Amino acid sequence: QKEVEQNSGPLSVPEGAIASLNCTYSDRGSQSFFWYRQYSGKSPELIMSIYSNGDKEDGRFTAQLNKASQYVSLLIRDSQPSDSATYLCAVTGTGFQKLVFGTGTRLLVSP
Amino acid sequence: KAGVTQTPRYLIKTRGQQVTLSCSPISGHRSVSWYQQTPGQGLQFLFEYFSETQRNKGNFPGRFSGRQFSNSRSEMNVSTLELGDSALYLCASSPGSGEYGYTFGSGTRLTVV
Repeated sequence: QKEVEQNSGPLSVPEGAIASLNCTYSDRGSQSFFWYRQYSGKSPELIMSIYSNGDKEDGRFTAQLNKASQYVSLLIRDSQPSDSATYLCAVTGTGFQKLVFGTGTRLLVSP
Repeated sequence: KAGVTQTPRYLIKTRGQQVTLSCSPISGHRSVSWYQQTPGQGLQFLFEYFSETQRNKGNFPGRFSGRQFSNSRSEMNVSTLELGDSALYLCASSPGSGEYGYTFGSGTRLTVV
């Protein structure tokens, strides 16, 4: 079983729709959870972090964490073509020293 | 504030050679991590340094090594290069222990021929 799992996609949504990206992790001791966005040919960019159960909102982005189900999600409201990218879920365990990444979900937002 | 700087951006090496990649973290950041990214495996953790000490290491062969200097700059070395080492090597820095995430550099694209 992979430590962090994501559906590779692509997830296709029309402009203005809500994109929902999901991630599950295997280590129950995981403490910090992140969403990175990576455009083709670029390096990952941190867009959201979440540390406790519930929702965290930042602009059009909402991260959701459910530690009991070992599940993290990212909602992107009013999706724009510029949101088309690969979204990487990352998790740290005890000590926070090592980020474990999922393989990413490719999001395509069509005009 | 300058971001994470990696040099060089691109490298072409021959099998059997060795290579050294450099990373300068964001000013004030003391933790530096290295990752390998390939289309098939995604982002794989190599190692993490804090105050010149390696605190964590991924599952890579001993050909992959690193170090961190007193100014927090870090280098990664790969010896006896193999074709499968062709990848994007990413460096990331964090102020301390990484609980608030890491900021990535632009990466070094290594091609082994």
